[in-house]
Amino acid sequence: KAGVTQTPRYLIKTRGQQVTLSCSPISGHRSVSWYQQTPGQGLQFLFEYFSETQRNKGNFPGRFSGRQFSNSRSEMNVSTLELGDSALYLCASSSSGGPVDEQFFGPGTRLTVL
Amino acid sequence: KNEVEQSPQNLTAQEGEFITINCSYSVGISALHWLQQHPGGGIVSLFMLSSGKKKHGRLIATINIQEKHSSLHITASHPRDSAVYICAVRSPNYGGSQGNLIFGKGTKLSVKP
Repeated sequence: KAGVTQTPRYLIKTRGQQVTLSCSPISGHRSVSWYQQTPGQGLQFLFEYFSETQRNKGNFPGRFSGRQFSNSRSEMNVSTLELGDSALYLCASSSSGGPVDEQFFGPGTRLTVL
Repeated sequence: KNEVEQSPQNLTAQEGEFITINCSYSVGISALHWLQQHPGGGIVSLFMLSSGKKKHGRLIATINIQEKHSSLHITASHPRDSAVYICAVRSPNYGGSQGNLIFGKGTKLSVKP
């Protein structure tokens, strides 16, 4: 079974631009969660999608948004990029996103904002 | 105060040593995860616990729900174990009905040959 894939792996943008990151979950998994990892804050939960609906949302500004398609692939979008958005963005998939479901992480997209 | 605290933050060991990484949490949880992150960023899920103890090869994870504490042990450590180990809890108190993952800051382990 193929693992979670994320594209692109690396991205460089400038302040004010917007960016879209993509995540393809493991086949059959319906839940996709997104996380941001920075040296200062560590890993933080962004949002979770299940069956094309946002089920949970972390404490991030509205510039961060996402969506999920009918094939469970998910995208996250960051608009009006700020320097502080430079981070590793990770997605993880699980079969149903239940409390005791194991999450499988992708390799991440490293975003640098100049 | 963070909801999930790990100790130590950094750990250097000699090959073959027994290693313990601790995780304490202050919220009600439905599950606790131990994750491993190698340089380059990729995260691997090592264990998911809701009670008791689990073992996989040289790795052992335990959890004490009453004391809100978990430990990750590595027996006969090896340089390839060098990585950041992250404790994360899923709490129904945060987010929607399924709860969000809340992460510790991680423990950076370096095993010298």
